[in-house]
Amino acid sequence: EIVLTQSPGTLSLSPGERATLSCRASQSVSSNYLAWYQQKPGQAPRLLIYGASSRATGIPDRFSGSGSGADFTLTISRLEPEDFAVYFCHQYGSSPMYTFGQGTKLEIK
Amino acid sequence: QIQLMQSGAEVKKPGASVKVSCRASGYTFTSYYMQWVRQAPGQGLEWMGIINPRDGSTTYAQKLQGRVTMTRDTSTSTVHMELSSLRSEDTAVYYCVRDMTLDYWGQGTLVTVSS
Repeated sequence: EIVLTQSPGTLSLSPGERATLSCRASQSVSSNYLAWYQQKPGQAPRLLIYGASSRATGIPDRFSGSGSGADFTLTISRLEPEDFAVYFCHQYGSSPMYTFGQGTKLEIK
Repeated sequence: QIQLMQSGAEVKKPGASVKVSCRASGYTFTSYYMQWVRQAPGQGLEWMGIINPRDGSTTYAQKLQGRVTMTRDTSTSTVHMELSSLRSEDTAVYYCVRDMTLDYWGQGTLVTVSS
């Protein structure tokens, strides 16, 4: 099973700042099948990025994903108030054991 | 528009079983895998398993093998997830989610296991 480790656990930033979230895998993720999700309290997660760097439909271009192999990053270029939430990474390349990171909480400083 | 509509909240006693349903609409049901993900209160996301609606084939998380069963009904575009021998640790919100990229999520079903 591929273990995904996200860092930091909590990130405190102000609106307008740049956020960089990390997701490291215990082994290489096949075909860069790595996705990122945003979750707000009381809501289901929302897909942001798939295939490590492709934005999902309707996702603003301030969200970008990068990385390959075992090291991936989600960047939010300029934080808007609605971006403060929990972010999860997820690998779907290691069939049939798909796994999630433990999450990064992005909070307002 | 694409929607996944799940059945309502459940309260079960330890040892019982629960069956959660998820009705898909707005797309061709048999063209996309369906997965189940759960989230315990205040915790992260846990992958439970996947079903191919075209042929009903399934793969389950090793941790849940023997307790979870996923089925589908193509006549109603519905998938079902049944979890047996419930324990308090199974208390969670259960989500059905479309495709390998988890692009569309159901609204979630809270299952509470309590004596």
